[in-house]
Amino acid sequence: SQTIHQWPATLVQPVGSPLSLECTVEGTSNPNLYWYRQAAGRGLQLLFYSVGIGQISSEVPQNLSASRPQDRQFILSSKKLLLSDSGFYLCAWMGRGVKNIQYFGAGTRLSVL
Amino acid sequence: KNEVEQSPQNLTAQEGEFITINCSYSVGISALHWLQQHPGGGIVSLFMLSSGKKKHGRLIATINIQEKHSSLHITASHPRDSAVYICAVGGDNFGNEKLTFGTGTRLTIIP
Repeated sequence: SQTIHQWPATLVQPVGSPLSLECTVEGTSNPNLYWYRQAAGRGLQLLFYSVGIGQISSEVPQNLSASRPQDRQFILSSKKLLLSDSGFYLCAWMGRGVKNIQYFGAGTRLSVL
Repeated sequence: KNEVEQSPQNLTAQEGEFITINCSYSVGISALHWLQQHPGGGIVSLFMLSSGKKKHGRLIATINIQEKHSSLHITASHPRDSAVYICAVGGDNFGNEKLTFGTGTRLTIIP
């Protein structure tokens, strides 16, 4: 069966520090991968999506970047965190070629202080 | 860009009550999703539908494509149903399925 792992679950970082959140998927190959952010009191916002290794599309201009070094690995990064980067970050995947349900990771709650 | 609106934003009900959460969107879509987000933040997909009605246990989801409206119903509500329910709509990008999300409805079921 397919599984999605996301870590860490919570993270407290000072302003200006770097960030690396990792998401891995098991049990499927060549998935579409997504990073979402949910700011306090707001809906989920798509940040990045990837349809293959090294292929990243950005939805909104921001302080973050994403990379997909392997088929089932999706990384969200920042060189210098801002206070506004605080939020709940979710990784999700969807099977390719079929309009399918997106499966979400457990999320990472990031607090930038 | 699709605008997704959910109502109500907050809903408190007694255990056993019939619950309805509504979702409206502005642009025609390929599919609509209902998601459940638990207090810890984890999200579970409940339904994906593009027409008609789907039922899973005590949950029923309906969609009216012409009116660009969907409803999520919970029958015989239970405190464990307390969560945030999120509506999300997908565009026409086959195989890519970028979703636009509503801000969610926070449901609290009182024993």
